[in-house]
Amino acid sequence: NAGVTQTPKFQVLKTGQSMTLQCAQDMNHNSMYWYRQDPGMGLRLIYYSASEGTTDKGEVPNGYNVSRLNKREFSLRLESAAPSQTSVYFCASSEGLAPPNYEQYFGPGTRLTVT
Amino acid sequence: LAKTTQPISMDSYEGQEVNITCSHNNIATNDYITWYQQFPSQGPRFIIQGYKTKVTNEVASLFIPADRKSSTLSLPRVSLSDTAVYYCLVGATGFQKLVFGTGTRLLVSP
Repeated sequence: NAGVTQTPKFQVLKTGQSMTLQCAQDMNHNSMYWYRQDPGMGLRLIYYSASEGTTDKGEVPNGYNVSRLNKREFSLRLESAAPSQTSVYFCASSEGLAPPNYEQYFGPGTRLTVT
Repeated sequence: LAKTTQPISMDSYEGQEVNITCSHNNIATNDYITWYQQFPSQGPRFIIQGYKTKVTNEVASLFIPADRKSSTLSLPRVSLSDTAVYYCLVGATGFQKLVFGTGTRLLVSP
């Protein structure tokens, strides 16, 4: 039982390049999330997926797209990377959206640098 | 949206009890209070969750007064490994209401 896995762990992009961050969970959770964390800051929600087949915007969705490929996988795509997207990206999952079942389990993060 | 206020940082020594208070004056009736812990270069980890009064697990206790406008995370006998950032979150149904904020940076010294 690996929990939440993310690939890659590190990535360097040039401005304008695109890439997809992959996330998978093996806990049979319904809900999945993408966050970004800038240095010294808390986490900000980018997108979330309440259940397979649905996605919704979070606090900072501009410049990103997501795909809930199936129940296990939730990917985050940067179509045209910008230096402002340099951050650590965390994927998380939870059984549901509502208390008391919304305890989130986080992946190890992807450290992205855009030059 | 229930906004939370926590101290930016706290210092303690090994073996002491640490209490971190979070203010959430506009908490809604259906909101739960949840605390997460984050170590450097790792994702946050769930610590404890409560709705009212007191909740205790093997890691911490959560004290919530009757008016629920604040909550206190209590870490008994901290060790160096408890050095981390602690986040207080308040929310209910509709996940987009959950906001992590900047948390409280706890430093435990020998």
